[in-house]
Amino acid sequence: AQSVSQHNHHVILSEAASLELGCNYSYGGTVNLFWYVQYPGQHLQLLLKYFSGDPLVKGIKGFEAEFIKSKFSFNLRKPSVQWSDTAEYFCAVTPKAAGNKLTFGGGTRVLVKP
Amino acid sequence: DAGVIQSPRHEVTEMGQEVTLRCKPISGHNSLFWYRQTMMRGLELLIYFNNNVPIDDSGMPEDRFSAKMPNASFSTLKIQPSEPRDSAVYFCASSLARGQGTNTGELFFGEGSRLTVL
Repeated sequence: AQSVSQHNHHVILSEAASLELGCNYSYGGTVNLFWYVQYPGQHLQLLLKYFSGDPLVKGIKGFEAEFIKSKFSFNLRKPSVQWSDTAEYFCAVTPKAAGNKLTFGGGTRVLVKP
Repeated sequence: DAGVIQSPRHEVTEMGQEVTLRCKPISGHNSLFWYRQTMMRGLELLIYFNNNVPIDDSGMPEDRFSAKMPNASFSTLKIQPSEPRDSAVYFCASSLARGQGTNTGELFFGEGSRLTVL
């Protein structure tokens, strides 16, 4: 079975700082990859996804992620964060053959100080 | 579209009581998922359905948990009897399974049902 590991449980940074959240997965086959965001008190919503093609994926709100197949990684980045980016971020993976059954990482709580 | 609708949003109950959580998926979606979110364990997939049929219930923690999907527009997750360790936020999500129509591979989540068992 696949698993997803997010390296940081909590990240605190100031506005305008750059953000990078690590995500590694374990699965031997081809996968689809996702980043979801959960703002305080809200439900999860999709930030970006990777299915195939250009490994550098751009999502909403200035976020991007890079798929590095050799490292089984799909790290999320944002060059300059805002206070409104305070949220919990979840990496998720699904094998291409497994329908939409996503396995989520443990999440990273990001606090952006104004 | 109204999105995935869950009820109740909050439930406080006593140990031993039966709890029923409800979910209405997005119209036209044919896959439905129940997730549980806790501080200790994060997001766990409990069960998912394709075309109203349970496909994988390996995440259901115990026999106290059961889920049904009697039709394409309604699903329930029942806990009987409930225990304090069941306290969590339960999310329902729906999607369009691969191979049918326009498929983004994206799950659409409801607002969640926050359950507190005393």
